[in-house]
Amino acid sequence: EAEVAQSPRYKITEKSQAVAFWCDPISGHATLYWYRQILGQGPELLVQFQDESVVDDSQLPKDRFSAERLKGVDSTLKIQPAELGDSAMYLCASSLQDHEQYFGPGTRLTVT
Amino acid sequence: AQSVTQPDIHITVSEGASLELRCNYSYGATPYLFWYVQSPGQGLQLLLKYFSGDTLVQGIKGFEAEFKRSQSSFNLRKPSVHWSDAAEYFCAVLFTGGGNKLTFGTGTQLKVEL
Repeated sequence: EAEVAQSPRYKITEKSQAVAFWCDPISGHATLYWYRQILGQGPELLVQFQDESVVDDSQLPKDRFSAERLKGVDSTLKIQPAELGDSAMYLCASSLQDHEQYFGPGTRLTVT
Repeated sequence: AQSVTQPDIHITVSEGASLELRCNYSYGATPYLFWYVQSPGQGLQLLLKYFSGDTLVQGIKGFEAEFKRSQSSFNLRKPSVHWSDAAEYFCAVLFTGGGNKLTFGTGTQLKVEL
């Protein structure tokens, strides 16, 4: 069964450093999402792509976060500089047109 | 404002007992409704979904959920819980007219006593 791939699974970084996460959606899924999940809370959407275009980035802290999906397939989420409050699980999901989103295993970020 | 509420933060049940996890939403129309499960340190797995039609939906792992329009609820149920069901459960709502943006509840942590 096809799955959403994410790497790395775990990342520890010092504050003020740059960090990047990678996501490879299920083949053929045009829509890709990045979520942030703080411990004890539900995921919150950071950015949504339709192919290579950003559809919604209203909750993305643009002063330090950036996301790209240059060829409309895999995607990278970057944080620069990282802050202590960025410690969270970063989840990637993808979907076809039927609104059902498939999630990857996530990247657990710890900022020290 | 559109919102999703899971009133129970933690629930403990004995293995073999029945389970019901509550989910309520606030929205002027019928949204698309989902239940996801998350094991520690893992991503989210879809248990079931409701878009339209029969208000009682069956999912994987023996779970079912019932959509009640009058109560704006979509509660998750399982007749007999297994120890492996211990996890965190999230209700999610897709409010139509806003793209495919899912709004998640805060989750219910399920503990199963042997």
